[in-house]
Amino acid sequence: DIQMTQSPSSLSASVGDRVTITCRPSQNIGRSLNWYQQRPGKAPNLLIYAASSLQSGVPSRFSGTGSGTDFTLTISSLQPEDFAIYYCQQTYSIVPLFGQGTRLDTK
Amino acid sequence: QVQLQQWGAGLLTPSETLSLTCAVYGGSFIDYYWTWIRQPPGRGLEWIGDINPAGIANYDPSLRRRVTISLDTSTNQFSLRLTSVTAADTAMYYCARVVAASMMDRRFDYWGQGTLVTVSS
Repeated sequence: DIQMTQSPSSLSASVGDRVTITCRPSQNIGRSLNWYQQRPGKAPNLLIYAASSLQSGVPSRFSGTGSGTDFTLTISSLQPEDFAIYYCQQTYSIVPLFGQGTRLDTK
Repeated sequence: QVQLQQWGAGLLTPSETLSLTCAVYGGSFIDYYWTWIRQPPGRGLEWIGDINPAGIANYDPSLRRRVTISLDTSTNQFSLRLTSVTAADTAMYYCARVVAASMMDRRFDYWGQGTLVTVSS
């Protein structure tokens, strides 16, 4: 199975900060990588698909880069509604595993 | 506007069968895959399985012996059954739509509101 490792597991930041979250699969997955945001008590929300494509309706401050075994989600200028948990997901294999999540909270 | 609305029993005793249904409103039903995901309390997301428009399902290997996903194209609904539940199956369960440009290019773009299922004696 492909294992997904996100880092950091938690992160404290302030409004206006630039934030970067990393996801490293245990093997090459090409660009088969999605990012989701989950606010407390809510279902996850798709942000980025195929490593770098912005889902419709998602603010442009969110961006994704990477391929192979190294992927990054960047929030260019953190807004109050961005404090949440972020998950990466690989869809290279039949079982689309998620990373363990990165909790982003206020500093 | 696509909406997924899910329902099912929220409290089960060990050995019972979990049964959830997800209704899809808006958009096409037969042009997408459909999936179930769960999230144990305080933990991350776990994929359970999915089903394609032809009714062919894939399951997580750890659940394959106990899980069945089915769909009804006449009512635009799909369902999850998980037999012989234990406390380890306590979780929030979500249904979601899968956009699948290819098997390696899938994304879950619309989600249900979630159903909390608790297994307790």
